[in-house]
Amino acid sequence: EADIYQTPRYLVIGTGKKITLECSQTMGHDKMYWYQQDPGMELHLIHYSYGVNSTEKGDLSSESTVSRIRTEHFPLTLESARPSHTSQYLCASSAPGLARSGANVLTFGAGSRLTVL
Amino acid sequence: AQSVTQPDIHITVSEGASLELRCNYSYGATPYLFWYVQSPGQGLQLLLKYFSGDTLVQGIKGFEAEFKRSQSSFNLRKPSVHWSDAAEYFCAVGARASGSRLTFGEGTQLTVNP
Repeated sequence: EADIYQTPRYLVIGTGKKITLECSQTMGHDKMYWYQQDPGMELHLIHYSYGVNSTEKGDLSSESTVSRIRTEHFPLTLESARPSHTSQYLCASSAPGLARSGANVLTFGAGSRLTVL
Repeated sequence: AQSVTQPDIHITVSEGASLELRCNYSYGATPYLFWYVQSPGQGLQLLLKYFSGDTLVQGIKGFEAEFKRSQSSFNLRKPSVHWSDAAEYFCAVGARASGSRLTFGEGTQLTVNP
């Protein structure tokens, strides 16, 4: 069962509109991530957060912004959507892994597929 | 910086046949390696992970993977494929320096013929 929820699952919107993709997790995870995935392509990290009031840009430059006011909530916002923003956006979270490891196991949401006309 | 290569974009196998999906990574130290599966319209589900220890790891749904340091590989295997295994498979690498930020490969699309 899903413990990380993304809404909307599908969104078709016109150019210039402001959109917010919601992501919530019920696992109490400190770390949360946004990945962008184009069809048939790899996932690219665009934002991540290691806790409340902590946000960082990922490896792929993105015009989107994020906020982390509550542990369970990590929304992504596009102030003015453009066709180049058409993609699937995947939210993930992770709990602390093994003490000796630096990498944690990611739990993914089902994704939000955005189409900008 | 770490990187992952999945040489096979698309693989087709018959139901009941064995499967091997290739994954090669680049990283200067011992990596942390993962295989995820993505069904159409869904998020990614963890199949298995390697952190340390035994180089042959078992995962869910009958999958296993073997870490070979000398070949910088972490290939995914299944002895007998089921039609429900048709999906896209992603290999990912994480490293101590980047914390839990994973780098994903481009994915391998698996088609299963009846």
